[in-house]
Amino acid sequence: RKEVEQDPGPFNVPEGATVAFNCTYSNSASQSFFWYRQDCRKEPKLLMSVYSSGNEDGRFTAQLNRASQYISLLIRDSKLSDSATYLCVVDTGTASKLTFGTGTRLQVTL
Amino acid sequence: GAVVSQHPSRVICKSGTSVKIECRSLDFQATTMFWYRQFPKQSLMLMATSNEGSKATYEQGVEKDKFLINHASLTLSTLTVTSAHPEDSSFYICSARSTNTGELFFGEGSRLTVL
Repeated sequence: RKEVEQDPGPFNVPEGATVAFNCTYSNSASQSFFWYRQDCRKEPKLLMSVYSSGNEDGRFTAQLNRASQYISLLIRDSKLSDSATYLCVVDTGTASKLTFGTGTRLQVTL
Repeated sequence: GAVVSQHPSRVICKSGTSVKIECRSLDFQATTMFWYRQFPKQSLMLMATSNEGSKATYEQGVEKDKFLINHASLTLSTLTVTSAHPEDSSFYICSARSTNTGELFFGEGSRLTVL
């Protein structure tokens, strides 16, 4: 089983749609969780951290379910500029090392 | 804001040559830096953890004699791909953790093509 698993997509959605991505992780000792955004041939950029209580940043909402070892990202009112690959990232619990999922590709269309 | 600079951003070299990639934290000190490799349509894979003033810690399956890491100062880590071969062609990305805040910042990445 992969340490971090994501549906690779692509998710093709029209502008204004709501889209949700899911991610599962295998290391129950993981403490920190993140969603990163990566544009084609660019470095990943932090989108948001994920907290146990769930957190929201504008159109983006992240949720964490520790019991099921599951993380989600919800994007409301999708914009063309949201088109990117979204990486689920989990720390390994030791030495601040991060494990990246393969990413979920989102394409927002007119 | 804090920036991590990687250089070169793109390099093409002949098989058998060595290539050095620099990762520099511009506005902050980084005791720890990380080197990742990303093949097309795959996730970032951690290669090694670079600690200032000490030897790097390599992940399983990463050859330390092939991927030389030096972290001689609190703002600079270098990755040298020795005797590069076409299968080493990849996107190499570094990240640096701020010693003061613990925040993690990524470099822009270096695309290596070995002919």
